[in-house]
Amino acid sequence: EPEVTQTPSHQVTQMGQEVILRCVPISNHLYFYWYRQILGQKVEFLVSFYNNEISEKSEIFDDQFSVERPDGSNFTLKIRSTKLEDSAMYFCASKAGAGNTIYFGEGSWLTVV
Amino acid sequence: KQEVTQIPAALSVPEGENLVLNCSFTDSAIYNLQWFRQDPGKGLTSLLLIQSSQREQTSGRLNASLDKSSGRSTLYIAASQPGDSATYLCAVRQHTNAGKSTFGDGTTLTVKP
Repeated sequence: EPEVTQTPSHQVTQMGQEVILRCVPISNHLYFYWYRQILGQKVEFLVSFYNNEISEKSEIFDDQFSVERPDGSNFTLKIRSTKLEDSAMYFCASKAGAGNTIYFGEGSWLTVV
Repeated sequence: KQEVTQIPAALSVPEGENLVLNCSFTDSAIYNLQWFRQDPGKGLTSLLLIQSSQREQTSGRLNASLDKSSGRSTLYIAASQPGDSATYLCAVRQHTNAGKSTFGDGTTLTVKP
């Protein structure tokens, strides 16, 4: 079964550093998402991306964050100047069409020290 | 602002029992609702997707119902097995297209052999 793949699975970074989390959505999917889950808390929406632009973003997704789809397969989340509170599991997700099932990757666990 | 609540927070049952997990949401103007399973430290696995026009969906031993007007959904698991032990999350989506999903806190299920 096709799946969303994410790299790295775990990254430890120094506070203030930039990180890039990578995702390969399911082929032929059109809608792409980033969510995060701080340990012990709810899964939270960050941003949605469609037709090569951001469709919606949450209040969490401030100027520190950016997304990009540099080619036909990758979807990246960049976090600039990381803070301790950015430590979380970051999930990439995709879906084929407007009303379809959304599929999540295994997540990238980010630890900021 | 949509709020999603799941009750109970945790549930422990002996193997073979049938059980019901509950999800409620404050804004009934949803587009669809999706149930997920999450194993510790892992990603989200989609279980069932119910469109707002549907009343229920079934997959194997799982049955999900939706009462949009009252803002409730239930996930019924028949003949539970130890392998069903996981956290179950519900997520509601309010808009078509790239709409975000709002998640509940989840119900952590333990099925004892």
